Amino acid sequence: AQSVTQLGSHVSVSEGALVLLRCNYSSSVPPYLFWYVQYPNQGLQLLLKYTSAATLVKGINGFEAEFKKSETSFHLTKPSAHMSDAAEYFCAVSLMDSNYQLIWGAGTKLIIKP
Amino acid sequence: NAGVTQTPKFQVLKTGQSMTLQCAQDMNHNSMYWYRQDPGMGLRLIYYSASEGTTDKGEVPNGYNVSRLNKREFSLRLESAAPSQTSVYFCASSESVLYSNQPQHFGDGTRLSIL
Repeated sequence: AQSVTQLGSHVSVSEGALVLLRCNYSSSVPPYLFWYVQYPNQGLQLLLKYTSAATLVKGINGFEAEFKKSETSFHLTKPSAHMSDAAEYFCAVSLMDSNYQLIWGAGTKLIIKP
Repeated sequence: NAGVTQTPKFQVLKTGQSMTLQCAQDMNHNSMYWYRQDPGMGLRLIYYSASEGTTDKGEVPNGYNVSRLNKREFSLRLESAAPSQTSVYFCASSESVLYSNQPQHFGDGTRLSIL
């Protein structure tokens, strides 16, 4: 069965430091990939998506993600963390053989230290 | 532009009570979804509606029913609430479940507690 793994339920970085949130998927066919962000007591908001165009995808709020087929990964990065980035981040995958339903990772809570 | 609107935002029920969670979208999307979110488990799909007039079970449908009232509205009903259904419920919509490169748009959620 297809799955999405987000390494680390919590990631803590200092303000101004690099943010790296990891996402790996298992699939035998090329997927579509999404990163969503959830701020406290809010719904999920799309950060960025990969749809088989450029492998490096730029999203909102300075985030970007790189699709690496050989590693089946879609890690999310931001060069310099800001306090406002504190939120939970979800990776999701859409696969043809899952009836196009999104398969969700468990989420990573990003903590920003002042 | 409201996007996806869920009501109510908060609800407390007693075990055995019933209630309906309402969801409406104004983006003219064909597909709509109900998820539940529990700590450490990400989002789990309860039911979805690929288009008006159709509904299908997701990963965790037991204890729930849904109605796609029209293209805009998709409701979730708990017939006899159980403590295990305490969760945050999200409604989402997308252009079409068939376009797997299109994102889903989410409401702000309903926080439901079953005592």
